[in-house]
Formats: sequence, structure tokens, C-alpha cells
Amino acid sequence: NAGVTQTPKFRILKIGQSMTLQCAQDMNHNYMYWYRQDPGMGLKLIYYSVGAGITDKGEVPNGYNVSRSTTEYFPLRLELAAPSQTSVYFCASSFEETQYFGPGTRLLVL
Amino acid sequence: AQTVTQSQPEMSVQEAETVTLSCTYDTSESDYYLFWYKQPPSRQMILVIRQEAYKQQNATENRFSVNFQKAAKSFSLKISDSQLGDAAMYFCAYRSARGTSYGKLTFGQGTILTVHP
Repeated sequence: NAGVTQTPKFRILKIGQSMTLQCAQDMNHNYMYWYRQDPGMGLKLIYYSVGAGITDKGEVPNGYNVSRSTTEYFPLRLELAAPSQTSVYFCASSFEETQYFGPGTRLLVL
Repeated sequence: AQTVTQSQPEMSVQEAETVTLSCTYDTSESDYYLFWYKQPPSRQMILVIRQEAYKQQNATENRFSVNFQKAAKSFSLKISDSQLGDAAMYFCAYRSARGTSYGKLTFGQGTILTVHP
């Protein structure tokens, strides 16, 4: 049981490039989330999903897109990377009230 | 919208001593959950303790306990017998139990805890 996994661990992007952050969970959780954590700050919700085929915006969705075709996977897409998207990105899943987090992806946009 | 405030950017404690981290929140809801997460330098988010708002009894997990004051909207974390491994950033988080905000976590800004040997 791997829990929540994220790839890559670290990535450098040039301004205007695109990339997909991968997230997978093997706990059969319906709820999944994407957060970003800026230096010295708490986590802010980007998007979330309550089940396959259902996604909704969180607090800071601009510049991102998500899809949820299966229960296990919840990728986050950055279309046109900007320096403001430099951050650490966390994926999480939940069953009932507790969220379980992945190890994070550190993204640097230069 | 709910907000979570951690007013202590940094705290320090001597090994084996006790330290209390503060958290206040603002909500109009009556049914919710509160959490403390620990984030060590590895950046992994680790659940420390959780509290259901409908429970009057304060949650405890080994050396970690909370003081939940629902009327005051306060949720502090007490760490007893502090250990070097407790050094980390600690986040307080709020989660609605109902409605359109169901499932989403709102985090405070975090408190960096340093443990001195």
C-alpha cells in the first residue's frame, strides 16, 4: 500500500512551458485534492475532486487544470508556466474526515 | 469563508519540556473538524491529531494533546516531553463537515517549532 504518490519530485520549467504533475492513490478514496504551498506559508487549495469525472475549483485555480478519469489518478496541468507558479505542490486524498498527503512536487519556473 | 490564524510564526522549547502552539479560527458553522499537521524538513505532511467539533473531550495522541475551546474558536496544541524529532513546521487546519465546503481543508500560516537539546 503506497498511499499517495506524486511525480516528479522536482522540476524546473521555463516561462510559457507546460507540464503535468502526476498524482496517484491506491486507497480507493473518492476525494482527491491539489494544494500549493508557497515559501513560509500554509497550503492553499487549487482544485479538488469528489469522484471520477467530477472536479471543482478551490481557492487558487487560475493557471491550472485538472481531470479525473479514474478513482486512482488526479493529474494537475499547468498550461503556460509563470514565475508566480513557483511553489511546492501537494496532492492529497481522503476517506471520511482525514486527508492523506503525497510527498510533494517542487516546481521552479524561471 | 472560514479562516485559520496561527499567531506565533516561531516557537522554541527545550528538550523534555512542554510547549503550546496556538490556533484560532473563524466560522459560522457548528459541525466541523480541526487538525494539526506536522511538516518536517522533508516537506511530508504528517497528521498529528484531529478533533471533532461535536466532541467536548479534548483529543490526545501520546505526547500530543489539544485544548479545544469551541465558544472561543480556539484550538491549541500541547506537546509534552518535547523531543528533537518534534522540530518542524506545524499547521492548524479546519475542515467543514457539511455543505459546499465539505472535504476542503483551510490551513493556517504555520508555526516553526525549534527544539533545543
